[in-house]
Amino acid sequence: EIVMTQSPATLSVSPGERATLSCRASQSVSSSLAWYQQKPGQAPRLLIYGASTRATGIPARFSGSGSGTEFTLTISSLQSEDFAIYYCQQYNNWPRGMYTFGQGTKLEIK
Amino acid sequence: QVHLVESGGGVVQPGRSLKLSCAASGFTFSSHTMHWVRQAPGKGLEWVAVISYDGSNKYYADSVKGRFTISRDNSKNTLYVQMNSLRGEDTALYYCARGGEWNLLNWFDPWGQGTLVTVSS
Repeated sequence: EIVMTQSPATLSVSPGERATLSCRASQSVSSSLAWYQQKPGQAPRLLIYGASTRATGIPARFSGSGSGTEFTLTISSLQSEDFAIYYCQQYNNWPRGMYTFGQGTKLEIK
Repeated sequence: QVHLVESGGGVVQPGRSLKLSCAASGFTFSSHTMHWVRQAPGKGLEWVAVISYDGSNKYYADSVKGRFTISRDNSKNTLYVQMNSLRGEDTALYYCARGGEWNLLNWFDPWGQGTLVTVSS
């Protein structure tokens, strides 16, 4: 099974600043990597797929990069609505453990 | 507008069974892979099961294999999961999520709002 490790567990950033979240896979997942945002009491929302493609309706301040085992989600200028938990997910490993999530990074207001 | 609505959650005793449903609308249900994902209280996301667009392929997380069965009725635009031999560690909010069109290896978008399953005596 591919293990996804996110860092840091918690990130404290001030509004208007840049946030950089990391995700590492235990083996290569090529570009089969998605990022989701989850706010309290809400379902996860897709932000990024294919490691770097923004989903429909996602603001340009969200960007994804990386391939293989190292991935990054960058939020260029944090807005109040961006403070949430972010999960990465791989969807590459066939057929066992096809979909695994990282443990999440909580982005909080500094 | 794509919409997924889960139902069927509740409180159930350990060892008993429960069947969840997910009603889909706003897209061609019969051409999409569908998933169940769960989230224990205060914890992260755990993928549970996937079913291909036509129901011919099904895969499960090791934690539920042999106890849960995913199925779908394309004539009713509905996804199901039959959960047997429930354990305390199955307590979670269960989400259904749409996968890829024709493709098993894809991201999840969108997600329903979830239905809560509590396994307790």
